[in-house]
Amino acid sequence: AQSVAQPEDQVNVAEGNPLTVKCTYSVSGNPYLFWYVQYPNRGLQFLLKYITGDNLVKGSYGFEAEFNKSQTSFHLKKPSALVSDSALYFCAVRVSGSARQLTFGSGTQLTVLP
Amino acid sequence: ETGVTQTPRHLVMGMTNKKSLKCEQHLGHNAMYWYKQSAKKPLELMFVYNFKEQTENNSVPSRFSPECPNSSHLFLHLHTLQPEDSALYLCASSQDAGGPTQQETQYFGPGTRLLVL
Repeated sequence: AQSVAQPEDQVNVAEGNPLTVKCTYSVSGNPYLFWYVQYPNRGLQFLLKYITGDNLVKGSYGFEAEFNKSQTSFHLKKPSALVSDSALYFCAVRVSGSARQLTFGSGTQLTVLP
Repeated sequence: ETGVTQTPRHLVMGMTNKKSLKCEQHLGHNAMYWYKQSAKKPLELMFVYNFKEQTENNSVPSRFSPECPNSSHLFLHLHTLQPEDSALYLCASSQDAGGPTQQETQYFGPGTRLLVL
């Protein structure tokens, strides 16, 4: 089985401050983890993924995420938020060794306030 | 742009109409996907095609009928839809969809916003 949870529907942060969008997962095995971003009236855009190796993954637009196996988390972070980062963010998981497809979280709306 | 295009971008249809959504990918991928995105709900995977063969159908009602004539094109034929089918329909592609170690990133199109009256 595989599932992913994004515990916050909405995150607000001031421009220039660090941001964190939370994601926790539940899998039977080793996970592949992804973050996607969706701007209004657009499809999902790939940000970054964790497959194996270094727990800190760097992605597009200055975003990074840290894989924490003990806490089963994969939180998305950025040191300094921009107003243009305001969007809907999705975490997704897939189990290594499984034929199952990606399972997506329900999304977190990030609003960066000027 | 992600290399995945979808047409039309917006569609309004009555419950007795028949329409089709089109997706085309220019990435040389072998797998294509249809997702349904409704407000306040996680993305729902509908269908998966790998090398033109349907490999997954997530209990989708028969009023949705997919077609994959080649690895670059994917259609979703719609007929006798219900108002609750109104949603954003997203197409995605990846290099491959098969195999237990598949770790390929999916690339999404902009979606078709469907309204069923």
